[in-house]
Amino acid sequence: KQEVTQIPAALSVPEGENLVLNCSFTDSAIYNLQWFRQDPGKGLTSLLLIQSSQREQTSGRLNASLDKSSGRSTLYIAASQPGDSATYLCAPWGGGSNYKLTFGKGTLLTVNP
Amino acid sequence: DADVTQTPRNRITKTGKRIMLECSQTKGHDRMYWYRQDPGLGLQLIYYSFDVKDINKGEISDGYSVSRQAQAKFSLSLESAIPNQTALYFCATSDLGNNQPQHFGDGTRLSIL
Repeated sequence: KQEVTQIPAALSVPEGENLVLNCSFTDSAIYNLQWFRQDPGKGLTSLLLIQSSQREQTSGRLNASLDKSSGRSTLYIAASQPGDSATYLCAPWGGGSNYKLTFGKGTLLTVNP
Repeated sequence: DADVTQTPRNRITKTGKRIMLECSQTKGHDRMYWYRQDPGLGLQLIYYSFDVKDINKGEISDGYSVSRQAQAKFSLSLESAIPNQTALYFCATSDLGNNQPQHFGDGTRLSIL
């Protein structure tokens, strides 16, 4: 059974800082890994999807990396802004269950002005 | 208009009642999913459907049923609601293939008294 751990559970930073969110998963037989953000009372917004054959994906100030063999992914946020405050979730697809995403519990990010 | 629409957005009901949550999408995706989110537990998959004639149980399907009325519509029913089904429910869609991102609705907050 795939298990996903996200560290830290919560993070508070001043505006402008670069930061890294970590995700680890136990079964490396995945097709891809998706990063989401969730705002309070809202659904999940897909940020990036990294295919298992890829090492990195970039979108604007976001960069996600994937080390499939070690079961790790990181989300790098450059020059953080208060609008980045949200919960960030990682979810690998596959890894023993080829029909579903397995979600971590998320990292709650607060960016202070 | 949202690509993935869930109704109702909020619902309070009593133990033993039958409840239906509805999801419709305009993305033209074949695959649809129902998740529930509980504080501290992350998202768990209830049911998923890869096309109109395909329905599959997820990891926590007991007490729930679904109906895929059309490509664009996927409904979740609680036959006899119980308090521990109080949660935030999300519908999601994705295109065919194992490297397509999932897109989420804004959720239905369900409270069972």
